[in-house]
Amino acid sequence: GAVVSQHPSRVICKSGTSVKIECRSLDFQATTMFWYRQFPKQSLMLMATSNEGSKATYEQGVEKDKFLINHASLTLSTLTVTSAHPEDSSFYICSARFGGESYEQYFGPGTRLTVT
Amino acid sequence: GQNIDQPTEMTATEGAIVQINCTYQTSGFNGLFWYQQHAGEAPTFLSYNVLDGLEEKGRFSSFLSRSKGYSYLLLKELQMKDSASYLCAAMDSNYQLIWGAGTKLIIKP
Repeated sequence: GAVVSQHPSRVICKSGTSVKIECRSLDFQATTMFWYRQFPKQSLMLMATSNEGSKATYEQGVEKDKFLINHASLTLSTLTVTSAHPEDSSFYICSARFGGESYEQYFGPGTRLTVT
Repeated sequence: GQNIDQPTEMTATEGAIVQINCTYQTSGFNGLFWYQQHAGEAPTFLSYNVLDGLEEKGRFSSFLSRSKGYSYLLLKELQMKDSASYLCAAMDSNYQLIWGAGTKLIIKP
């Protein structure tokens, strides 16, 4: 199956700093990548959808200036949490989709962000 | 609005069968997904249904009724490792996934 990696798997940062999370599709070209966050015992919340070479589409209520998404190539998307605050602490998960007739999303292993 | 409903938690016994139900309301419909998520891990794909009927894949089967806006995931011969959350997600007319809150399945010996 398709493999998606995410780095780092865990990160602890101080309030006010920025954190970058990388999402890579290792063995396929992902036309679309998605970024989710998940709070404990809650479902996935879609933050944004990004297509290679174009600006990300953010969901309502997600601050685009705070959560910067760059989809520089067909295998790499990054999420930067700027000026992080404790309430940004969460589990961030990316997923990737082949495109065409395939709509299955392949998920990365997730990044646990803790802001102190 | 768009909505996915599934039970919050279910308990079953090792070796038994369990059925997890999911009802959905979406703007358009392009299929329904089931994912398994172990605690602290990302979801993994289990099944995709777009036509009515039952799709069987080993111990796991998934059923869809488009007219009823209903799906279920059937797990047979339950094993302890099946303890996880099971997420139902419907794809709307924009090919966006609408996620349910997940059903936590607890398997007891």
